[in-house]
Amino acid sequence: NAGVTQTPKFRVLKTGQSMTLLCAQDMNHEYMYWYRQDPGMGLRLIHYSVGEGTTAKGEVPDGYNVSRLKKQNFLLGLESAAPSQTSVYFCASTLTGGDTYEQYFGPGTRLTVT
Amino acid sequence: GDSVTQMEGPVTLSEEAFLTINCTYTATGYPSLFWYVQYPGEGLQLLLKATKADDKGSNKGFEATYRKETTSFHLEKGSVQVSDSAVYFCALMGSNYKLTFGKGTLLTVNP
Repeated sequence: NAGVTQTPKFRVLKTGQSMTLLCAQDMNHEYMYWYRQDPGMGLRLIHYSVGEGTTAKGEVPDGYNVSRLKKQNFLLGLESAAPSQTSVYFCASTLTGGDTYEQYFGPGTRLTVT
Repeated sequence: GDSVTQMEGPVTLSEEAFLTINCTYTATGYPSLFWYVQYPGEGLQLLLKATKADDKGSNKGFEATYRKETTSFHLEKGSVQVSDSAVYFCALMGSNYKLTFGKGTLLTVNP
């Protein structure tokens, strides 16, 4: 049981380039989330998904797109990277129902945009 | 909307000192409350949680009590260790299954 995994762990992009971050979970969780972490800002929700084929905007969605074609995968895309998107990106998932609302986090992807 | 305010850091303590990190929240309804910990270079791990008023979450010597009357969920530990050095995040989850985080508190424990 690998939990939540993220690919890649590190990436450097030039302004204007595109990339996709992959999140995978093997816990059969319904909900998945993408956050970014910046110094002094805590974690901020970018997009989330409440099930396969569904996505919704979070607190800071501009400049990002997401897709959830399979229940176990949640992709975060940057179409035209900007230096303001330099951050650490975390994926998380949760099993809904009962009082089990714990979110399980991946190890993060450190992205630098130059 | 929902919000979480936690004590600004950094906090520096000597080993075996008492720790308190304050956390207050604003939310509609009855949120669940969490403390997450992030060790250097790692993702977030759940430290403890409480799902209703007066619940006490505890783990690894850390405790926090869900106080609805003061909308607080302060983290405490009686005797910290060097290995407790990390960033601690208070968070709440409302009925929409989205977590709202505080900005985090960096704790450094010196031997």
